[in-house]
Amino acid sequence: AQSVTQPDIHITVSEGASLELRCNYSYGATPYLFWYVQSPGQGLQLLLKYFSGDTLVQGIKGFEAEFKRSQSSFNLRKPSVHWSDAAEYFCAVGASGTGRRALTFGSGTRLQVQP
Amino acid sequence: DAGVIQSPRHEVTEMGQEVTLRCKPISGHNSLFWYRQTMMRGLELLIYFNNNVPIDDSGMPEDRFSAKMPNASFSTLKIQPSEPRDSAVYFCASSYDQGEQYFGPGTRLTVT
Repeated sequence: AQSVTQPDIHITVSEGASLELRCNYSYGATPYLFWYVQSPGQGLQLLLKYFSGDTLVQGIKGFEAEFKRSQSSFNLRKPSVHWSDAAEYFCAVGASGTGRRALTFGSGTRLQVQP
Repeated sequence: DAGVIQSPRHEVTEMGQEVTLRCKPISGHNSLFWYRQTMMRGLELLIYFNNNVPIDDSGMPEDRFSAKMPNASFSTLKIQPSEPRDSAVYFCASSYDQGEQYFGPGTRLTVT
């Protein structure tokens, strides 16, 4: 069974500082990996995805993530955080090939941005 | 594209009443997912359909919950009878095969 761990429940950074949100997954083969963002009262918006190929993927809003197979990680990064980035971030894993299509989500990391 | 459409956006009902949540997936997508989000349990999959056929309903809490997808452009999630512990935000999402899932805005359900 696949699983996702986001070890940081809550992170606070200053505006303009760099950001890294951690995500570790468990899956028997090469997974499909996703990061979603959820603003208060809103649905989930896809930030970026990894299916195969280049392990460093670029997403929207200046975010990027790196797939590290040896560490079973898919950490999300942004070089300079903006106040509008305050939201909850979810990492998710999906099955590749003909496996189960539904995503398994981590418990989320709430990002607070200080002025 | 209008994205995934859910209705209603908010629903307040009394315990014991029937609740029906509706979802219109993105045109051309062949997989549809229903998720529930609560503070205690986070985001959890309830059921998903592929080509209108239910594939995995292991996340449906109990027999009070049922879901249908009569055609490629419409799905319903029904709770009958509703209970206060069903209060949550219910999300519908769609995808093409195992591609990225696109989420609707959610339905916030409150059962009093």
